[in-house]
Amino acid sequence: SQQGEEDPQALSIQEGENATMNCSYKTSINNLQWYRQNSGRGLVHLILIRSNEREKHSGRLRVTLDTSKKSSSLLITASRAADTASYFCASTPRFGGTSYGKLTFGQGTILTVHP
Amino acid sequence: GAGVSQSPRYKVAKRGQDVALRCDPISGHVSLFWYQQALGQGPEFLTYFQNEAQLDKSGLPSDRFFAERPEGSVSTLKIQRTQQEDSAVYLCASSLAPGPLAGGLYEQYFGPGTRLTVT
Repeated sequence: SQQGEEDPQALSIQEGENATMNCSYKTSINNLQWYRQNSGRGLVHLILIRSNEREKHSGRLRVTLDTSKKSSSLLITASRAADTASYFCASTPRFGGTSYGKLTFGQGTILTVHP
Repeated sequence: GAGVSQSPRYKVAKRGQDVALRCDPISGHVSLFWYQQALGQGPEFLTYFQNEAQLDKSGLPSDRFFAERPEGSVSTLKIQRTQQEDSAVYLCASSLAPGPLAGGLYEQYFGPGTRLTVT
């Protein structure tokens, strides 16, 4: 069964607007990652944030992590039609201090950006 | 450079048939993962290899599922006596992660997946 939950399940915005997606998880993690998936390119890694980090930026992406609330958010600024895709958060659980990188995915948010 | 490749891209099997799905990871990647993605869901972990050793197979849904990576590179996921509930996209991912203590810090590169439909 999946650990993460994401909201909203679907988001529809106009080009140029910002898009925010949220993710929650249940157990202690080593890090949390965000992936994008569309039919053309499969799953593509976007950004990784470690458990001791609170915020990270990459281009138009901003990710936050709140380990006390076991939640993360992904903000895409100035969205483009090409950002239309499904977005998944994925966490790497911590096993007694070790982790080989097994990913536990959320159910995803379907983002549609209208030109 | 070459990414992770999977074959076949699409597979239709009749209920009860055996199937074999192939994954070619990025050359030199130590870690290899298989995930199953049902329609409208996120991927779910099936199994993990570090080189040729299968260190975690806790996600395999039944003993009809079997995976191997005999030489530490190409991997095959085999499903015996397929059932309709096996219909899904099977994703393979590889990463450079050198070992269990560092895996969480390395990006996983995913292949395009094999879409299995069991009729």
